[in-house]
Amino acid sequence: GNSVTQMEGPVTLSEEAFLTINCTYTATGYPSLFWYVQYPGEGLQLLLKATKADDKGSNKGFEATYRKETTSFHLEKGSVQVSDSAVYFCALSEGETSGSRLTFGEGTQLTVNP
Amino acid sequence: GAVVSQHPSRVICKSGTSVKIECRSLDFQATTMFWYRQFPKQSLMLMATSNEGSKATYEQGVEKDKFLINHASLTLSTLTVTSAHPEDSSFYICSAREASKAQNSPLHFGNGTRLTVT
Repeated sequence: GNSVTQMEGPVTLSEEAFLTINCTYTATGYPSLFWYVQYPGEGLQLLLKATKADDKGSNKGFEATYRKETTSFHLEKGSVQVSDSAVYFCALSEGETSGSRLTFGEGTQLTVNP
Repeated sequence: GAVVSQHPSRVICKSGTSVKIECRSLDFQATTMFWYRQFPKQSLMLMATSNEGSKATYEQGVEKDKFLINHASLTLSTLTVTSAHPEDSSFYICSAREASKAQNSPLHFGNGTRLTVT
């Protein structure tokens, strides 16, 4: 079956530090890959997505590249801000680009200190 | 933007009682809603797909008689945990897609419900 493994948290960084949250997946076909973010007290929001190999998703300074050869979709940001503190979920959806039947990773708590 | 309201945000109930969780799309219509569950330090797992006006589709291993789903209108889906037990304690989240949007449009998530069964 499908599975998503995320870097274990929590992650604590200082403002303007470089962020990487690792995500690897297992899927039988060609999944679409997503990063969702959950800010404190709010629901999950789509941060970015990639639907095929070598695609790069980007939003709000975050980037992730779909690497089929390493089955990875690592999230990166060059300079984090305090407002980026949240829980980040990597997810995949197989067989469609809608992302409705999502398989999530465990989530990684990020705290950015001023 | 599209908002999904989930209620209650937290609930504590006694073993053997039933708990109802509501998921409402506030400013859009949703023919399909999804229910997820997350145990501590584990992934969000899809439990079921809720379809307006028809029976829900449950994922393998999810007891449909225990987790009753009703999607009676285009803006409301409810999940009822019947005869709850401590092992049902979990974080439940719903999501929905705007009915007018394409299949690849993003889902909108509720804030989740923390259920604790004592």
